[in-house]
Amino acid sequence: AQSVTQLGSHVSVSEGALVLLRCNYSSSVPPYLFWYVQYPNQGLQLLLKYTTGATLVKGINGFEAEFKKSETSFHLTKPSAHMSDAAEYFCAVSDRGTGGGNKLTFGTGTQLKVEL
Amino acid sequence: DVKVTQSSRYLVKRTGEKVFLECVQDMDHENMFWYRQDPGLGLRLIYFSYDVKMKEKGDIPEGYSVSREKKERFSLILESASTNQTSMYLCASRPGQGYQPQHFGDGTRLSIL
Repeated sequence: AQSVTQLGSHVSVSEGALVLLRCNYSSSVPPYLFWYVQYPNQGLQLLLKYTTGATLVKGINGFEAEFKKSETSFHLTKPSAHMSDAAEYFCAVSDRGTGGGNKLTFGTGTQLKVEL
Repeated sequence: DVKVTQSSRYLVKRTGEKVFLECVQDMDHENMFWYRQDPGLGLRLIYFSYDVKMKEKGDIPEGYSVSREKKERFSLILESASTNQTSMYLCASRPGQGYQPQHFGDGTRLSIL
């Protein structure tokens, strides 16, 4: 079964600083990879996804992530943090395959705090 | 935009009650999912459905059942609510292709007293 590890349940950065949220997965076959963001009292919103092709993926709100097969990683970055980025971030993976049986496995989440 | 609507944002019920959580999506998606979210545990899959009247157990199905009589609606049922089922419940839907992302509702915060 797939597993997803997000290092750091809480990350704190200063406004304007680099944001780096780490995600590693366990599969030997590269899965589909997703990052979601959750603002307080809301559901999850897709930030970006990697399915195939270019390994550097750009998402919404200035975030991007790079798929590194050799490191089984899909870390999320943003060059300059903004106060509005404060939220919880989830990495998720799905096995490659067809049909409806593809399930998402989520990491335990990283709470991002942005300080003035 | 895909819209996934959960019937209640907040719900308070008593132990032993039968509880229904409803979810409706408006994009004709084949797949629908129910998760519970607890601090430090992330999202855990309870049940999912890949077609009308079809369902499969997720990772933590005990104490729950589901119903999907129409394509757009997926219901989660707590047969006899217990305090350890106090949690945030999230519904999601997705088209048939596995590489497509899931779309989430805003969640139902359920408290069992």
